Amino acid sequence: GENVEQHPSTLSVQEGDSAVIKCTYSDSASNYFPWYKQELGKRPQLIIDIRSNVGEKKDQRIAVTLNKTAKHFSLHITETQPEDSAVYFCAAGSSGGSYIPTFGRGTSLIVHP
Amino acid sequence: KAGVTQTPRYLIKTRGQQVTLSCSPISGHRSVSWYQQTPGQGLQFLFEYFSETQRNKGNFPGRFSGRQFSNSRSEMNVSTLELGDSALYLCASSLVLGTGEHTQYFGPGTRLTVL
Repeated sequence: GENVEQHPSTLSVQEGDSAVIKCTYSDSASNYFPWYKQELGKRPQLIIDIRSNVGEKKDQRIAVTLNKTAKHFSLHITETQPEDSAVYFCAAGSSGGSYIPTFGRGTSLIVHP
Repeated sequence: KAGVTQTPRYLIKTRGQQVTLSCSPISGHRSVSWYQQTPGQGLQFLFEYFSETQRNKGNFPGRFSGRQFSNSRSEMNVSTLELGDSALYLCASSLVLGTGEHTQYFGPGTRLTVL
């Protein structure tokens, strides 16, 4: 089955800095890669996703890049703000008829004001 | 538009009992998926239902089951509870937009404690 590794487990940055979280996956059949943000005590939120036919996707201050050859994808957050502090999860799976996502273990992002 | 709701929010059971959790998706969303979240195993996919049919299933024992009703509301059932079933159970409803983009919204979760 799919195996997703996520690094780092904890990331501490100063407000205004950029943050990068990386995930690697093992199953070359995976073609859908969502990212989730979960603030303490709250439900996860889907913040951005990318499909394997696209190399990069941006939405305001967040972007995701995908390297299918190397089987890794990354979340980039620019101009970080204290409200970006949360646990971020990546996931990988094959969309379509059978979508069984496998999640990374999460990255705790702390943005210091 | 109302968000995804889950009931109950908290539940305490003892080993060997069974439990049923409920999830009401956002109106118009026909896909409901269930997840288990624990500190030890992280987030794990349980199953997905679409139009009353189980479309996908994660790697969980048969004690975990679910169903979806014609109004898209979904229930999951765990029989013969074990201590390791203590977790936050999340459901999410999804919709594929006309653009092909995928939206997904989670409910607040049901915190199950097995004693």
